[in-house]
Amino acid sequence: GAGVSQTPSNKVTEKGKYVELRCDPISGHTALYWYRQSLGQGPEFLIYFQGTGAADDSGLPNDRFFAVRPEGSVSTLKIQRTERGDSAVYLCASSSTSGAGEQFFGPGTRLTVL
Amino acid sequence: AQTVTQSQPEMSVQEAETVTLSCTYDTSESDYYLFWYKQPPSRQMILVIRQEAYKQQNATENRFSVNFQKAAKSFSLKISDSQLGDAAMYFCAYRRRTGANSKLTFGKGITLSVRP
Repeated sequence: GAGVSQTPSNKVTEKGKYVELRCDPISGHTALYWYRQSLGQGPEFLIYFQGTGAADDSGLPNDRFFAVRPEGSVSTLKIQRTERGDSAVYLCASSSTSGAGEQFFGPGTRLTVL
Repeated sequence: AQTVTQSQPEMSVQEAETVTLSCTYDTSESDYYLFWYKQPPSRQMILVIRQEAYKQQNATENRFSVNFQKAAKSFSLKISDSQLGDAAMYFCAYRRRTGANSKLTFGKGITLSVRP
C-alpha cells in the first residue's frame, strides 16, 4: 500500500499498563509526526521526527510518553503507566521535504484505557 | 504561539447548495500555510485545500474554494454543489512555512451534515 499505515486499529488496555502504537510512513518520507485527537477535538501535536531524530518533541504531555524511529522509517509511540485520560485517537502523518511538505495521515489508533 | 479558532461546532446544508465554513487564526509570522482537512467517520484525515499566505489569489479545488483575508486572519472554506459524500468533520489548520517541515496546529473542527 502507498499510504500511511498504523497498527493496531484499536487498542483497549487497563489503567497502569504499557502500550506501543506503530506507524509505517509512506516510503521515502523523511518527516514523521504524531498527533493525539481527543473526542470532539482537533488533533494536537505530540512529536515530529526528521529522519531518526526527534526534531520537535514539545507536544509530549509528560515523561510517560516516548517515541522512537530507529531506522528513519517505522515509528513507535510508547505510553507507560497509562491513565484514563490517555484515551484518544493517535494519528500519525508523514511528509517529504519538498514542496509544501504536505502531511499524509494514517487512519489512527483508537486507544481506550479502562 | 499560533492558534486556530473554529467557532461553529455544527453546520447543515441541503444537497446541491453552497455552504461556507469559518476559521480564524492568530500568528505573528508573515509566511505560513493554511489548510482545510476533511475527516469522515473512518478517521482518515484528507487534505481538501491549501493556501500559501504569500499568495493573494484564493485557492480553488473543483467544488472547494477559500476566502483568505490575511489582514483579518480569516480563512473560510466554501463548498459548492454540496454532495452527500461531503458530510464529515472539517478542520482548519495552520503551519509555519519556515524550515523544511513543521507541525500543524488545528482548530476544534466543525461537523458538516448534508441533507438529501
